[in-house]
Formats: sequence, C-alpha cells, structure tokens
Amino acid sequence: GAVVSQHPSRVICKSGTSVKIECRSLDFQATTMFWYRQFPKQSLMLMATSNEGSKATYEQGVEKDKFLINHASLTLSTLTVTSAHPEDSSFYICSASGTQLLLMGGYTFGSGTRLTVV
Amino acid sequence: GNSVTQMEGPVTLSEEAFLTINCTYTATGYPSLFWYVQYPGEGLQLLLKATKADDKGSNKGFEATYRKETTSFHLEKGSVQVSDSAVYFCALSAIQGAQKLVFGQGTRLTINP
Repeated sequence: GAVVSQHPSRVICKSGTSVKIECRSLDFQATTMFWYRQFPKQSLMLMATSNEGSKATYEQGVEKDKFLINHASLTLSTLTVTSAHPEDSSFYICSASGTQLLLMGGYTFGSGTRLTVV
Repeated sequence: GNSVTQMEGPVTLSEEAFLTINCTYTATGYPSLFWYVQYPGEGLQLLLKATKADDKGSNKGFEATYRKETTSFHLEKGSVQVSDSAVYFCALSAIQGAQKLVFGQGTRLTINP
C-alpha cells in the first residue's frame, strides 16, 4: 500500500535555530502534500498544501516565512521551521495524496515529528 | 464551509463493551468521509472510509455508515479491546481533486481490562 516516511520522528533544538522535517512517499507519486500541526490533546490544524513544483498555499494565520515548505519532486516535501521558538514546539504531521490514491478516496499520513524547542 | 463535529471525550469503557463515537458533518456537495486512529506518539492511520451515501466502511471490527439524511458517520464496534485505546478522528474531504481533509476535534478512547 501507499507509504509515507517522515523524518525525524523526534527533534530537540535550541531557540533561534532552524529545523527541517522531511516527508517522502515511498511507493507512489505524491502530487499533493499537506502539512498539519497538532497541539496536545487537540485536533490537526492544516498549515499548508503543496503541489509538486508549485508554491505552497498557506492557511490563514500561518506564517509562510517561518514555515518554509518545499515540494520539489513527486516523492519529497520538506517543512523547515525557521528561527524556532518554544511556542513552535508541537507535533507536525504530513499527509500525501496522488492520482491513484484519490481514486481510492484516501490520503496517507506520515508518522509525525515531535519538535521540542528549548 | 465544511466542518466536522465529533462527540466530546474522553470516553472510558470496559473491555467487551459496545462503542459508539458520534460524528456529524456539514459540507457542500457529496464529501468522502473517513475515520482515522492515532495511537500514542504516532501519526494517523486510516481506519475506514465511505465515499457515497449509504456506504458502510468497516475494518478491524469497527463500522460506520454514511448517512446523508442525518449528515452523520458514527463509528461503532460491538466489543472493544484494550488495544483499541487511542484517539479517533472523523474527517471529510471534497470528493473531487486533492482537497484537504477537515478533521473533527478527536475523541480519546480508553479501554480498561
């Protein structure tokens, strides 16, 4: 089945540094990637949608200069949290979809990245 | 806009009890409906889905029926197990194109032995 690999699973960084999170589709072409943020005991909040080769579309209230999204190929999307601060600490999850998946009505999620900024 | 409302948790049950987690939605057109499960420290896994009215999604003993007349997609299981303890999310997406998923707030389920 469709598999999405997300790395790292956990990362601790110092305030002011940048962190990159990768999301790879292993056995399908991910034409669209979604990046979500999840606060403790809350639902997933969509941050942005990216289509391969295009600029990401950010949801209202999400700082595009802080959360840089790159989707340069059909199998890789990255989220870079720039100049991280403690309030950026959260669980980040990517989700991918491609033509075949859409036909099956599904989306595949990565396993998530727990970011802690100290 | 599209939205999903889930029964508030947390829900605590004993093993072998009957489970219902309510989910209702608001959407234009004919969305696809999903239930996702999230185990502690992990990402989301698709539990089941339904893409049109009256469809029943089922997996691992869980079931949910797409009810257009009541705009509902309630999750049920006849006999829960300790291993079902997790957070369950109801979600919808527009049926056409790579549309984003809209999630409910999640329901935390704890099953005691």
